[in-house]
Amino acid sequence: DIVMTQSPDSLAVSLGERATVKCKSSQSLLYMSNNKNFLAWYQQKAGQPPKLLLYWASTRESGVPDRFSGSGSGTDFTLTISNLQPEDVAVYYCQQYYNVLQTFGQGTKVEIK
Amino acid sequence: QVHLVQSGAEVKKPGASVKVSCKASGYTFIDYYIHWVRQAPGQGLEWMAWIKPNSGDTKYAQKFQGRVTLTRDTSSSTAYMELSRLTSDDTAVYYCARNGYSSGTVSYNWFDPWGQGTLVTVSS
Repeated sequence: DIVMTQSPDSLAVSLGERATVKCKSSQSLLYMSNNKNFLAWYQQKAGQPPKLLLYWASTRESGVPDRFSGSGSGTDFTLTISNLQPEDVAVYYCQQYYNVLQTFGQGTKVEIK
Repeated sequence: QVHLVQSGAEVKKPGASVKVSCKASGYTFIDYYIHWVRQAPGQGLEWMAWIKPNSGDTKYAQKFQGRVTLTRDTSSSTAYMELSRLTSDDTAVYYCARNGYSSGTVSYNWFDPWGQGTLVTVSS
């Protein structure tokens, strides 16, 4: 199985500042035939199911604010939340879909400082 | 609008089985995979399995092999997840989710949307 490791486990950021979440995979998620990284990011607020934010590592799902952005390739990826808002308090997960056995990172909790 | 609606909360005794349903609407049910993901209290997301409704093909995480069975009823656009030989470690919220892209033989398995979740509590 592909192991996904996120860092940090939690972080506190001031309103309006930037939050950065890292995700590292145990093998490359870059599929050479289409040059795409098979990685998605989700946001989960308390008591709710996860919500898709990004796929292909950096493609924003419809309706997701542009302060959410993704970057990275191969085995190292980053979710950046610019201009942190109160409604961004949540746990964020990365997920690989390169392998037919999908796996998630352990989650990163983002709070307001 | 695409929706997945799951069955209600369950309380089961150790050793029993539970069957959770996931009713799809707003799209052609047989065209997209249905995945099952669980989340133990205070823990992260754990992918369990998927079913391809068109063919009934399934794939299970090794951890759940032999204990989980996915089925579907195409006439009612409903997918089912049955987990047997329950222990307290199976206490969790169980989610169904649709894969994000399907076109012909090409499918990509990010998850969108998700069902609302079904809490399964295993307690004696």
